[in-house]
Amino acid sequence: AQKITQTQPGMFVQEKEAVTLDCTYDTSDQSYGLFWYKQPSSGEMIFLIYQGSYDEQNATEGRYSLNFQKARKSANLVISASQLGDSAMYFCAMRELSFGNEKLTFGTGTRLTIIP
Amino acid sequence: DGGITQSPKYLFRKEGQNVTLSCEQNLNHDAMYWYRQDPGQGLRLIYYSQIVNDFQKGDIAEGYSVSREKKESFPLTVTSAQKNPTAFYLCASTPLGNTEAFFGQGTRLTVV
Repeated sequence: AQKITQTQPGMFVQEKEAVTLDCTYDTSDQSYGLFWYKQPSSGEMIFLIYQGSYDEQNATEGRYSLNFQKARKSANLVISASQLGDSAMYFCAMRELSFGNEKLTFGTGTRLTIIP
Repeated sequence: DGGITQSPKYLFRKEGQNVTLSCEQNLNHDAMYWYRQDPGQGLRLIYYSQIVNDFQKGDIAEGYSVSREKKESFPLTVTSAQKNPTAFYLCASTPLGNTEAFFGQGTRLTVV
């Protein structure tokens, strides 16, 4: 069964500091994708970063990087030099890629608050 | 412009009535998804579809129904059997394989 775990319900971080949001996953599939989304108070879902299970390098997108540790089944999001606009809910998600199953499952999220 | 359209943005219904939420995409995506989000909570999968005329139950399908008669459309019906239907509903779509999902703006359903 697919499962995503985010153990930090909320985090407070000083502006300009780096922050790591934790995500662990559970799957028996060898081929899968891991995603991070940001959800501001408006409710829209903003895609941040993607990591494939066969990718050897950690994904990076601007200030976002994904710390992928396959053996530990973790996919933590690192935000460098945090900004006030980073305050939002953050969701980790996984999609198994075996034929016949395109299920996309989300974690419970982490509410990040950036303090000026 | 390509995208996913959910309508309406806000919806009010009386208890005991069925209500259908619309989700349309013009991205030519194969897979479509419906999620429910309660205040301060994560996204829970209701139903998903990978091809036309086929769909699978997600984790909380009870009290909901869907159809996928066209590739671009995946409407969700919240039936009277759903005990607590008031929530924020998000629709998403994606090509099959290793790409991110694109989301609509959501429909906030309130049942009174």
